[in-house]
Amino acid sequence: EIVMTQSPATLSVSPGERATLSCRASQSISSKLIWYQQKPGQAPRLLIYGASTRATGIPARFSGSGSGTEFTLTISSLQSEDFAVYYCQQYYDWPFTFGPGTKVDIK
Amino acid sequence: QVQLVQSGAEVKKPGASVKVSCRTSGYTFTTYGITWVRQAPGQGPEWMGWISAYNGDTNYAQNFQGRVTMTTDTSTSTAYMELGSLRSDDTAVYYCALLPYCTSVTCYYFDYWGQGTLVTVSS
Repeated sequence: EIVMTQSPATLSVSPGERATLSCRASQSISSKLIWYQQKPGQAPRLLIYGASTRATGIPARFSGSGSGTEFTLTISSLQSEDFAVYYCQQYYDWPFTFGPGTKVDIK
Repeated sequence: QVQLVQSGAEVKKPGASVKVSCRTSGYTFTTYGITWVRQAPGQGPEWMGWISAYNGDTNYAQNFQGRVTMTTDTSTSTAYMELGSLRSDDTAVYYCALLPYCTSVTCYYFDYWGQGTLVTVSS
């Protein structure tokens, strides 16, 4: 089973600032990496697939990069609605696995 | 529009089983696979498994092997997830979803979720 790890666990950022979140896979997953955003009481929302492709309707301030085992989600200028928990997930091999998440909160 | 509608909340005793249904509409059911994800209170999502609605092939997470059974009913476009030998730490919201996956031919990038079913395991 591929193990996903994320860092940091919590990221405190001021509105308008840049946020950089990391995700690491225990083995190469090529570019088969998804980023989700989750707010309280809601199901996760797909942000990025294929490590770097924004899903439909996702603002351009969200960008993803990386391949192999190291990946990054960057939010270029945090808006109030971006404070949430972010999860990465690999879909390279069954079973698909989620990372433990990074909580982005207001500094 | 694609919709996934799940069955209602359940309260079960330890050792019992629970079966959650997921009725779909708005697309051809047998074309895509259904994913089941659960989320315990205050925890992140946990991928449980996937079932092909075309031929019933399944992939289960190791944590659930031997305890979970995923099935489909193509006549009603409904997917089911049954979890047995319930423990208190199985208390969670269980989601069915159309989520990204790849076949040998192509990849699909969906993002459709059911409303979630709260399963509470308590004596």
